[in-house]
Amino acid sequence: DTAVSQTPKYLVTQMGNDKSIKCEQNLGHDTMYWYKQDSKKFLKIMFSYNNKELIINETVPNRFSPKSPDKAHLNLHINSLELGDSAVYFCASSQAGTGGSPLHFGNGTRLTVT
Amino acid sequence: EDKVVQSPLSLVVHEGDTVTLNCSYEVTNFRSLLWYKQEKKAPTFLFMLTSSGIEKKSGRLSSILDKKELFSILNITATQTGDSAVYLCALYSGGSNYKLTFGKGTLLTVNP
Repeated sequence: DTAVSQTPKYLVTQMGNDKSIKCEQNLGHDTMYWYKQDSKKFLKIMFSYNNKELIINETVPNRFSPKSPDKAHLNLHINSLELGDSAVYFCASSQAGTGGSPLHFGNGTRLTVT
Repeated sequence: EDKVVQSPLSLVVHEGDTVTLNCSYEVTNFRSLLWYKQEKKAPTFLFMLTSSGIEKKSGRLSSILDKKELFSILNITATQTGDSAVYLCALYSGGSNYKLTFGKGTLLTVNP
């Protein structure tokens, strides 16, 4: 069974459109994340939610809006897509605790904006 | 701002070689350092290090942390073509357990 699953795997769309990516985890973790990975493989955190509460918002344009309906789900909605939004978006989850705990990643959503 | 610097950025070796990947960091309040392997899809967890000088080992892979000199190394012995991947170093730091900061990775290519 997939632990962290995100859909869709691929998303090709035109500039100016609005799109959503969904993420679900069945690990019972308290914390979920969105990371963006650019063409050079650099992973940068975008958002983090702990028990449905926004914990981290890393200077992401407000065209990006995360939503966590419950602690097993964290969705990402992107308005007015731009060429620079093209990247692979990874959802991840972890169990919060002192010292941190490993993140478990989904397989990524490759977003291409034309 | 926390910094995680990995070197080399890329490395090409032959099967059977031993490689050492480096990760140095600057943080305000260190909590733990993690290593991940990324092939085509999701990064997969390798090791988590919190204490200096204690080696973590899994098969041909091992890692150690030096909190005084602020670095970690990941060793891979008797490399195989299946070890070809991007290896990512990441850091938990500061007051929050919720933010993992990644380095830019080392691309390892193992040729037959």
